Amino acid sequence: DQQVKQNSPSLSVQEGRISILNCDYTNSMFDYFLWYKKYPAEGPTFLISISSIKDKNEDGRFTVFLNKSAKHLSLHIVPSQPGDSAVYFCAATGGRYTGTASKLTFGTGTRLQVTL
Amino acid sequence: NAGVMQNPRHLVRRRGQEARLRCSPMKGHSHVYWYRQLPEEGLKFMVYLQKENIIDESGMPKERFSAEFPKEGPSILRIQQVVRGDSAAYFCASSPPTSGDTQYFGPGTRLTVL
Repeated sequence: DQQVKQNSPSLSVQEGRISILNCDYTNSMFDYFLWYKKYPAEGPTFLISISSIKDKNEDGRFTVFLNKSAKHLSLHIVPSQPGDSAVYFCAATGGRYTGTASKLTFGTGTRLQVTL
Repeated sequence: NAGVMQNPRHLVRRRGQEARLRCSPMKGHSHVYWYRQLPEEGLKFMVYLQKENIIDESGMPKERFSAEFPKEGPSILRIQQVVRGDSAAYFCASSPPTSGDTQYFGPGTRLTVL
């Protein structure tokens, strides 16, 4: 049962353009969502997060949008740079508003390639 | 402030041997999580520990796998009698004691079972 889905295994974008990575979830108990970036042979690096009480969070070139009714979130990277080429994982957890720490449920990842 | 440390980075074991993976959380973090990534898959939760306590082990296989986070020293994930299917990247993450929302990951241990 895949509770967090990233339906696009790969995405190719030209340098300077916008990259949009999508993620869908099924569990209504999720209240906090995160995006991680991962290079080969390294651990995931935290990028940006959003709680369920917001619909947008922005940090520099990265913006995450949350549509709770559609159970959908997206990560926008603008402008895209060659160094952004990596695998991006969407993750979700349900412990934020109960004040309890909780495991992350990950999607299967989207490989982003930013071309020159 | 050092990040999450994991060692070894690479571990090769023959079938039937034991594998021990170590994780030192970030300074000030008291929550530790272990995840496994099989080839071409996302990360899957295995176990969540606080000092001297296992909080959630719902993702851990019932046999051969165990985890601990002692009062002193790193967290250890132990796999007994390894099989080829245990070959994977094992990642440790930590989060601060106030809440577990954002987890910070170590570089991982890549286990290869021959």
